Amino acid sequence: DADVTQTPRNRITKTGKRIMLECSQTKGHDRMYWYRQDPGLGLRLIYYSFDVKDINKGEISDGYSVSRQAQAKFSLSLESAIPNQTALYFCATSDHQGAAYNEQFFGPGTRLTVL
Amino acid sequence: SQQGEEDPQALSIQEGENATMNCSYKTSINNLQWYRQNSGRGLVHLILIRSNEREKHSGRLRVTLDTSKKSSSLLITASRAADTASYFCATEGNTGGFKTIFGAGTRLFVKA
Repeated sequence: DADVTQTPRNRITKTGKRIMLECSQTKGHDRMYWYRQDPGLGLRLIYYSFDVKDINKGEISDGYSVSRQAQAKFSLSLESAIPNQTALYFCATSDHQGAAYNEQFFGPGTRLTVL
Repeated sequence: SQQGEEDPQALSIQEGENATMNCSYKTSINNLQWYRQNSGRGLVHLILIRSNEREKHSGRLRVTLDTSKKSSSLLITASRAADTASYFCATEGNTGGFKTIFGAGTRLFVKA
């Protein structure tokens, strides 16, 4: 969905490096999410934010941190990358109201490989 | 832990046939959603069914929800090769806080 963009799209890094994945959205949504997807495990929630000053841990937040710099931007950081953080990372947004308030809109994903 | 579990994990059918995927979950929900994912891409929302609804239609999609059995099914009628994708159910719990949890998905392959 072009309304939700992620950078970079692909990244290869080494163990111990700090990595930042960025997400921007033009949908005007207040809620933003970070997920990781591993083969056969579906999506797991890392962090979510319902507003600029709101940050919440998800199911698998250890080893990750986030920053909600503005309503439209939500970045995910891996403080010291490790190989088992190799995965496909998705950012998503949703609105808190309206007919489609439960629907999440996903970015195209970032494929991260940690060597 | 995952709330929703899809069944089957993979499904291969011929074009024109119907495809049925099932989702089971464990706790009470406000709603259940189905998403589609083409290989390596972001998920796209297909349909949402609320806990007080039993059936919903959208084009060739039919979703049912049985809250007594904690299960849902997604039926794609007259499948097309372009329907080849992974399909995920996502449940929104009603116990407070953000509780939308995705299942592991069903991989559907439609042969032309």
